Amino acid sequence: EVQLLESGGDLEQPGGSLRLSCAASGFTFSNYAMSWVRLAPGKGLEWVSAVSAGGAGTFYADSVKGRFTISRDNSQNTLFLQMNSLRGGDTAVYYCAKFRASTAPNDAFDIWGRGTMVVVSS
Amino acid sequence: QPVLTQSPSASASLGASVKLTCTLSSGHRSHAIAWHQKQPEKGPRFLMKINGDGSHYKGDGVPDRFSGSSSGAERYLTISSLQSEDEGDYYCQTWDTGIQVFGGGTNLAVL
Repeated sequence: EVQLLESGGDLEQPGGSLRLSCAASGFTFSNYAMSWVRLAPGKGLEWVSAVSAGGAGTFYADSVKGRFTISRDNSQNTLFLQMNSLRGGDTAVYYCAKFRASTAPNDAFDIWGRGTMVVVSS
Repeated sequence: QPVLTQSPSASASLGASVKLTCTLSSGHRSHAIAWHQKQPEKGPRFLMKINGDGSHYKGDGVPDRFSGSSSGAERYLTISSLQSEDEGDYYCQTWDTGIQVFGGGTNLAVL
């Protein structure tokens, strides 16, 4: 079964850091670009970041550029999101998503995780 | 970057059909899009990808009641024989040189 399982969400103070992980199973992880998407309370889905299959190409939304870093370990089938300088506006459920049929992040998402909650508050 | 526009809400009766619309911004009329369903306490679910020519690819296990089409800058998701479990938020997604874009979402109520 194809599955994505996020972890690492927590309550963190403004200015703090968190590292999210997404464990992939059921498909050849190294063949697909991956992404993070978030859903803040009362808001719509917001794309956060994406990484190519090999890890060399990374892309960020303007709202997180310079604060968040996406990476992947293809030997461990795991996607990461390092979140620094956290703000209240980063409070959201963070979802890991797989691109359908591309090594580059230029396709539909076809598999989603269940999400991990990040709360930024003092 | 492309912009996607969706109506904030839609409603239809149990057993009826509803057509949700996602409109691409000027200059991006030929872009493919994807439709995703988001229900409370669940992760989003991929429904289908719709190309500019109207051809579409459905996700695994998506019922035949869900279909997609295209006309100009508009991409449609039609749900027939509406069931109560179809209630939720529906988002369209597109992409351009690595940047992903979501529409604002349509909240669907089944009456």
